[in-house]
Amino acid sequence: GDSVTQMEGPVTLSEEAFLTINCTYTATGYPSLFWYVQYPGEGLQLLLKATKADDKGSNKGFEATYRKETTSFHLEKGSVQVSDSAVYFCALSPNNNDMRFGAGTRLTVKP
Amino acid sequence: GAGVSQSPSNKVTEKGKDVELRCDPISGHTALYWYRQSLGQGLEFLIYFQGNSAPDKSGLPSDRFSAERTGGSVSTLTIQRTQQEDSAVYLCASSIGLAGGQETQYFGPGTRLLVL
Repeated sequence: GDSVTQMEGPVTLSEEAFLTINCTYTATGYPSLFWYVQYPGEGLQLLLKATKADDKGSNKGFEATYRKETTSFHLEKGSVQVSDSAVYFCALSPNNNDMRFGAGTRLTVKP
Repeated sequence: GAGVSQSPSNKVTEKGKDVELRCDPISGHTALYWYRQSLGQGLEFLIYFQGNSAPDKSGLPSDRFSAERTGGSVSTLTIQRTQQEDSAVYLCASSIGLAGGQETQYFGPGTRLLVL
């Protein structure tokens, strides 16, 4: 079935470092792809999304490009901040409202 | 409120007891989802409601789990004869529910269930 596999954590970076969290997917159709973020003590919230191949989602300095040829949707940020410390979930939604989430990657950014 | 709300926020119960978890979706959202997040695990899809259609129950882990959605709004997830492995955070989400799906889901704060 449709699924996502994301980079295992935890990831620990220093402030202003470059971030990449890998996400690859398996899908039979043309899903939409999402990154959700869960800050400490808060609920999940959408970070960015892309609905078709070659689309780039971006928000708060984070970016991810929907790559159909490599079935990937890697999350990147050029310069992370302490406030970016959170758990990041890659997810896909096939041609219905079912959402499949990855296992999550915990990011810790140290000053 | 403007967001998805869930109650209770925390629930401690004894093994074998039944529990009910409640979700109030965003007003006007016709799609509602339940997920389970176990410690150190990702989100596990449980069940999905869309309007008046029959729910997608494909993610429910056993027949001890059931969910209802009354009047197309509030939903209740019921776990009967709870087991220790049911301990997790149960998350509810809602979305507008347009045809074709692939929508952004808005999550509630979750109910943290601990089965002793």
